Amino acid sequence: DAGVIQSPRHEVTEMGQEVTLRCKPISGHNSLFWYRQTMMRGLELLIYFNNNVPIDDSGMPEDRFSAKMPNASFSTLKIQPSEPRDSAVYFCASSLMDNEQFFGPGTRLTVL
Amino acid sequence: AQSVTQPDIHITVSEGASLELRCNYSYGATPYLFWYVQSPGQGLQLLLKYFSGDTLVQGIKGFEAEFKRSQSSFNLRKPSVHWSDAAEYFCAVVTGGFKTIFGAGTRLFVKA
Repeated sequence: DAGVIQSPRHEVTEMGQEVTLRCKPISGHNSLFWYRQTMMRGLELLIYFNNNVPIDDSGMPEDRFSAKMPNASFSTLKIQPSEPRDSAVYFCASSLMDNEQFFGPGTRLTVL
Repeated sequence: AQSVTQPDIHITVSEGASLELRCNYSYGATPYLFWYVQSPGQGLQLLLKYFSGDTLVQGIKGFEAEFKRSQSSFNLRKPSVHWSDAAEYFCAVVTGGFKTIFGAGTRLFVKA
């Protein structure tokens, strides 16, 4: 298996632009997680899905953030409009039931 | 509320010396406990996990951890540290509903 795939690996954009991050979980996994990691705040859970259904989105910082999982093999995290304080590394992870999470390589987002 | 505490933000050890990273959790039920490692520029990778049974669990790269219910702890140990172990280490607990709570992380520095 190729593991969790995230794209793009790096994204540089200007404030106010829309940003879409993509994730392909490991085939057969039924839970998917989006995290944000910064030096100041560490690793934060933004949202997680189980069987494509959002279970807990309490970590989504603002209405500017939205996430979808239209099918078991694809999820997106969208920021619209983006702001400089959104600059971070965004990780996607997937798991099977309560077992270990497999993390993708992350997307490093820079908002100028 | 569930929480995970890693009291040491960073630790420095000499190569070949022993290592212990501390982790305390707060969770009412029997937890699923994990240790992950993150190398610079990488996603998190599972080192070991505890679900039930033997309270001393072995992981990859020579790491082990001991679950102590009376102390609500799950400390990570390694008898002899290698320079390649320099990384950030995260303790995590999985609560009901598939949600994983991560500690703030402990950055390990290894000196020659």
